[in-house]
Amino acid sequence: GAGVSQSPRYKVTKRGQDVALRCDPISGHVSLYWYRQALGQGPEFLTYFNYEAQQDKSGLPNDRFSAERPEGSISTLTIQRTEQRDSAMYRCASSPISGNEQFFGPGTRLTVL
Amino acid sequence: GENVEQHPSTLSVQEGDSAVIKCTYSDSASNYFPWYKQELGKGPQLIIDIRSNVGEKKDQRIAVTLNKTAKHFSLHITETQPEDSAVYFCAASGLGSGTYKYIFGTGTRLKVLA
Repeated sequence: GAGVSQSPRYKVTKRGQDVALRCDPISGHVSLYWYRQALGQGPEFLTYFNYEAQQDKSGLPNDRFSAERPEGSISTLTIQRTEQRDSAMYRCASSPISGNEQFFGPGTRLTVL
Repeated sequence: GENVEQHPSTLSVQEGDSAVIKCTYSDSASNYFPWYKQELGKGPQLIIDIRSNVGEKKDQRIAVTLNKTAKHFSLHITETQPEDSAVYFCAASGLGSGTYKYIFGTGTRLKVLA
C-alpha cells in the first residue's frame, strides 16, 4: 500500500476483554514501531522490531501488553484484560531501516468501557 | 532517560507572520531531531529533521535550528498560511547509539488566523 495502515480504526471494548491491534507497514520497511498517544500528548514509545525480532520493549507498560511480528511484516499489539486506563490512540510507524524517518499510520482509537 | 520539553502549548499568529516553537532535551547522546505535523484525524507527518552535526536546516518556509551546547532546537515557520494550522511535535532520538525510539514533546497547537 501507499502508507502504513492500521486496523481497526476504532475499537470499543469492555474492561477485562483482550484486544488485538494490527499494523501493516509500508512494503519493504524493515523497522516497525508501536506508540501510544494520549489526548493532548505526544506519542509515547512502546516497542519496536527489526524484521521479526523485537529489539526494544522497554516502553510496554506492563505484562498485559505484548507485540509480535512473526514474518517480519504485519505486526499485532495485544492487550490482555483491558483496563480503562488503556484507552488511548495506538499508533504504528515504520521505517526503511532503523534510524531513518518513521512514517506513521492513522492509528487505532481504543476505548475501554 | 531522555526527556523532551516543548513550548508553547498553543500559538496563534496572523497569516503571513512567523511562528517559532522551541524544544529542549536532556540526553546529550541524542543526535537526531525530527519535527512532525499532525492534522486532525491523521497520523503525524515528518516536515523537517536535523542531525547533531548540523546547526541549521531549511526547507522553503520551514527551518530548524539546533544548539547542542544548550540542548535545545527550534522550528521556524515563515509566511504562515491557514493550512499550517495543526499540532506540531518535536522529538529526539539517539541514532547510532542503538536508541531508535523517538521521545516526543507534548505538542504545540498552531492556529494561523486569516
